[in-house]
Amino acid sequence: EIVLTQSPATLSLSPGERATLSCRASQSVRSYLAWYQQKPGQAPRLLIYDASNRATGIPARFSGSGSGTDFTLTISSLEPEDFAVYYCQQRSDWPTMYSFGQGTKLEI
Amino acid sequence: QVHLVQSGAEVKRPGSSVKVSCRASGESFTAYDINWVRQAPGQGFEWMGGIIPMFGTTNYAQKFQGRINITADEYTNTAYMQLSSLRPGDTAVYYCVRDEGRGLDLWGQGTTVTVSS
Repeated sequence: EIVLTQSPATLSLSPGERATLSCRASQSVRSYLAWYQQKPGQAPRLLIYDASNRATGIPARFSGSGSGTDFTLTISSLEPEDFAVYYCQQRSDWPTMYSFGQGTKLEI
Repeated sequence: QVHLVQSGAEVKRPGSSVKVSCRASGESFTAYDINWVRQAPGQGFEWMGGIIPMFGTTNYAQKFQGRINITADEYTNTAYMQLSSLRPGDTAVYYCVRDEGRGLDLWGQGTTVTVSS
């Protein structure tokens, strides 16, 4: 099973600042890496898929990069609504399996 | 617009089973995979298994092998997840999620399952 490790666990920033979140895989996941945002009491929302592709309706301030084992989610200028928990997730095939990171809480 | 609509909250006794449904409204779900993911209180996400409704093929996380059964009814666009031999550690919010090959892009609203004596 591929283990995803996110860092930091908590990130304290202010609106307007740049946020950089990391996700490291225990073995290569090629580019099959996605990022999600979750707010309290809500289901997660897909932000980025295949490491760097923004999902439909996601603002341009969200960007993803990386391949292999090291990935980054960047929020270029934080808006008040961006403070939430962020998760990375990978999918491996043959057989298909998914795993998630433990999350990074982005707080003011 | 497509939505995944899940069944309501459940309270179960240890040792019993629960069956959660997930209905796709707005289009047929045979074109993509349906997965089940759970989130225990205050915790992260755990993938449980999935199904390709078009073929009826399933794939389960090893942790749940023998306790989980995922099925799909193409005529009603509904997927089901049944988990047996419930224990308090199974208390969680259970989500059905679509995978069209571009991430887990559509989530159900979640079903809270509480296991308590």
